[in-house]
Amino acid sequence: SQQGEEDPQALSIQEGENATMNCSYKTSINNLQWYRQNSGRGLVHLILIRSNEREKHSGRLRVTLDTSKKSSSLLITASRAADTASYFCATFITQGGSEKLVFGKGTKLTVNP
Amino acid sequence: DGGITQSPKYLFRKEGQNVTLSCEQNLNHDAMYWYRQDPGQGLRLIYYSQIVNDFQKGDIAEGYSVSREKKESFPLTVTSAQKNPTAFYLCASSARGNTIYFGEGSWLTVV
Repeated sequence: SQQGEEDPQALSIQEGENATMNCSYKTSINNLQWYRQNSGRGLVHLILIRSNEREKHSGRLRVTLDTSKKSSSLLITASRAADTASYFCATFITQGGSEKLVFGKGTKLTVNP
Repeated sequence: DGGITQSPKYLFRKEGQNVTLSCEQNLNHDAMYWYRQDPGQGLRLIYYSQIVNDFQKGDIAEGYSVSREKKESFPLTVTSAQKNPTAFYLCASSARGNTIYFGEGSWLTVV
């Protein structure tokens, strides 16, 4: 089962433009995380936003969280060719007393030079 | 260096063979996870473990087995019961409820 669902599934932009990716989730969360994956590599953590936060910045990244709509967005400003990667949102859900981290299917971002 | 080490990077399995993927972490994390990723797809949870000697099935546990005898280690065995094992396997660890760290992944191919 997928907790997070990103959209769009694929996004192609020109260098210098902004890229926005969205994530929706189903259950209550303590935090939501965004990850980046270059092709054939492991995932790299980008940013964590807690449920009591509405916005968070890290360099060219801006993440928003709307718990009433159960949605989050990741904005990459002034994109570069090196930002080409897949981006995933993830949330922890509690099941049977254990926590597991569940990922969406990701948004594949292509930044054209 | 602190981190998660997966080995081997590439592994080939013959039909009917069991293979084991190694995952070691020196981050002192309690929780460890195994995910499977098919080309162009998201991550699906196979097994996870919150503490030593305890683990739970994820969404696609059939055909896989794990052990957690040491905090640092969470090996994944892909058994012959897994009929379509060709995929990219990712191991991860976290302090409970916090940022999760990934290894570089292992590619498994059936030959």
